[in-house]
Amino acid sequence: AQSVTQLDSQVPVFEEAPVELRCNYSSSVSVYLFWYVQYPNQGLQLLLKYLSGSTLVKGINGFEAEFNKSQTSFHLRKPSVHISDTAEYFCAVSEGTGRRALTFGSGTRLQVQP
Amino acid sequence: SAVISQKPSRDICQRGTSLTIQCQVDSQVTMMFWYRQQPGQSLTLIATANQGSEATYESGFVIDKFPISRPNLTFSTLTVSNMSPEDSSIYLCSVEGKAYEQYFGPGTRLTVT
Repeated sequence: AQSVTQLDSQVPVFEEAPVELRCNYSSSVSVYLFWYVQYPNQGLQLLLKYLSGSTLVKGINGFEAEFNKSQTSFHLRKPSVHISDTAEYFCAVSEGTGRRALTFGSGTRLQVQP
Repeated sequence: SAVISQKPSRDICQRGTSLTIQCQVDSQVTMMFWYRQQPGQSLTLIATANQGSEATYESGFVIDKFPISRPNLTFSTLTVSNMSPEDSSIYLCSVEGKAYEQYFGPGTRLTVT
């Protein structure tokens, strides 16, 4: 069985500051990793994904994430945040070719302050 | 990416009644998923729906409570039966893209009174 842990439920940060949202996972098989963003009263939007290859993946809106197999982590980063980045961020995993459904973390609320 | 629509976008229902949520995709897809997002919580998978076969339910979800239909490759419905206030949630459908990612509909916000 898979599990995903997002270590921070809320992350307050000032505008133009860097941010890192942490995600750790547990699985007995190889996994595919995803970050989604949910703006207030909206559905989920895919930010980025890791399937294989380069461990540093770049996504939309200036976000990037690094896969670390030894630490079973997939942390999300942005060098300079904007007010518009205020949202809920979810880390998710799937087994890819096995169980295709996503297992989600509990979410991290990013609050960007002026 | 796939474009997904859901109907209704929100509803307020009385306990003991049922609501059917529709999910329409703009392209043919093999796998569709239904998730529940309880207030302030993360997403939990209800079931996986493949066309031509019965849905596969996750632990804690049963067909009598959440019957699912998948009549073709672009459409699915989820019914929430005999509702109670604990069923108040956002229900989302999703489809799998070409590279294992999933695309989500806008969700159906259900309030049970």
